Amino acid sequence: RKEVEQDPGPFNVPEGATVAFNCTYSNSASQSFFWYRQDCRKEPKLLMSVYSSGNEDGRFTAQLNRASQYISLLIRDSKLSDSATYLCVSYNTNAGKSTFGDGTTLTVKP
Amino acid sequence: DTEVTQTPKHLVMGMTNKKSLKCEQHMGHRAMYWYKQKAKKPPELMFVYSYEKLSINESVPSRFSPECPNSSLLNLHLHALQPEDSALYLCASSQESTSGRIQFFGPGTRLTVL
Repeated sequence: RKEVEQDPGPFNVPEGATVAFNCTYSNSASQSFFWYRQDCRKEPKLLMSVYSSGNEDGRFTAQLNRASQYISLLIRDSKLSDSATYLCVSYNTNAGKSTFGDGTTLTVKP
Repeated sequence: DTEVTQTPKHLVMGMTNKKSLKCEQHMGHRAMYWYKQKAKKPPELMFVYSYEKLSINESVPSRFSPECPNSSLLNLHLHALQPEDSALYLCASSQESTSGRIQFFGPGTRLTVL
């Protein structure tokens, strides 16, 4: 079993749609979680950190459920520019390294 | 300056060549990383330097040799690579925070081994 597992996708949605990505992690020692966005042939860029209390940044909402070892990302009112691969990442302070999920590809169509 | 720079952007090398990839950051981050990324796959950790000392080597073959000359620079020396080593090589840096280690990635070096 992979340490971080994501929805395989791909997700193809029309502009204005709401889309949700899910991610589960198996290592209970993971302390911090992030969503990164990676455009085709570009480097990953931090989209947002994920907190148990939930956090929102404009159209994006991230949530962490430590009891279920589950992370989510909600994108409201999708834009064409949201088309990218979204990577779920857990960070283990004890191990000193991050683990990436395989990524979920989103395509937003006009 | 919130940027990680990498040179070269593209590199083509033969299996007998020796080359080096370079990475630089001026954010004062004390952790730096090398990742390898194949097409349609997530980044795969190779090495971690913490305070200029190698802290993690993910069982990377010795044909890849990392070096951290100072807190701002990270090199990856390449020798006798194989065609399957062709990939995007990403450098990243991070600082400890209450939110964990948020990593900033450079644009990568796209390596082709012939």
